[in-house]
Amino acid sequence: GAGVSQTPSNKVTEKGKYVELRCDPISGHTALYWYRQSLGQGPEFLIYFQGTGAADDSGLPNDRFFAVRPEGSVSTLKIQRTERGDSAVYLCASSSSGRAAEQFFGPGTRLTVL
Amino acid sequence: DAKTTQPPSMDCAEGRAANLPCNHSTISGNEYVYWYRQIHSQGPQYIIHGLKNNETNEMASLIITEDRKSSTLILPHATLRDTAVYYCIVRPSLSAGNMLTFGGGTRLMVKP
Repeated sequence: GAGVSQTPSNKVTEKGKYVELRCDPISGHTALYWYRQSLGQGPEFLIYFQGTGAADDSGLPNDRFFAVRPEGSVSTLKIQRTERGDSAVYLCASSSSGRAAEQFFGPGTRLTVL
Repeated sequence: DAKTTQPPSMDCAEGRAANLPCNHSTISGNEYVYWYRQIHSQGPQYIIHGLKNNETNEMASLIITEDRKSSTLILPHATLRDTAVYYCIVRPSLSAGNMLTFGGGTRLMVKP
């Protein structure tokens, strides 16, 4: 079946602009996660949704970052007033609701802020 | 902070077994050990997980020491396509949420 998809695959923007990154999880997966990966580092957790609600947003670096999942499926990560330090690969993952369920990752969106 | 320690890099000859170690000396009794890998320009891919017992699936074997303070991921016959960064992750307790905390991982280079 279809895996996790993310669009766009690449996004180049200018400092100060607003961007939206989209994630389509695996159908039926209730849990959705966003991670950010800087060059040479492991992914860092940003936010976790269970259904429509953000169950844990402790990884969001500041209030310029926001994510939604209005119907419990597709999620959008929104970044306001982008800064050069926001440049990274943004990864989305989904999983079923089982306790030790594996997370399936998408290919990521590479964001470059000039 | 990541709860695991892994060597930053390892080499392995194609066709030989790759043994990737991981130390997790502060692991709690209800925490699982997970392994993921990330091939260049792709998202991480789940490999295997375990609690106490050794585990095996079609991709790899996971050996966990009796005291659970360390583990080894074994790729029995490494191929060039196994070249990737391998992450050993201790899964937080359920009350802390379900996120994965990645460390630096081990960059495995499989050579012909």
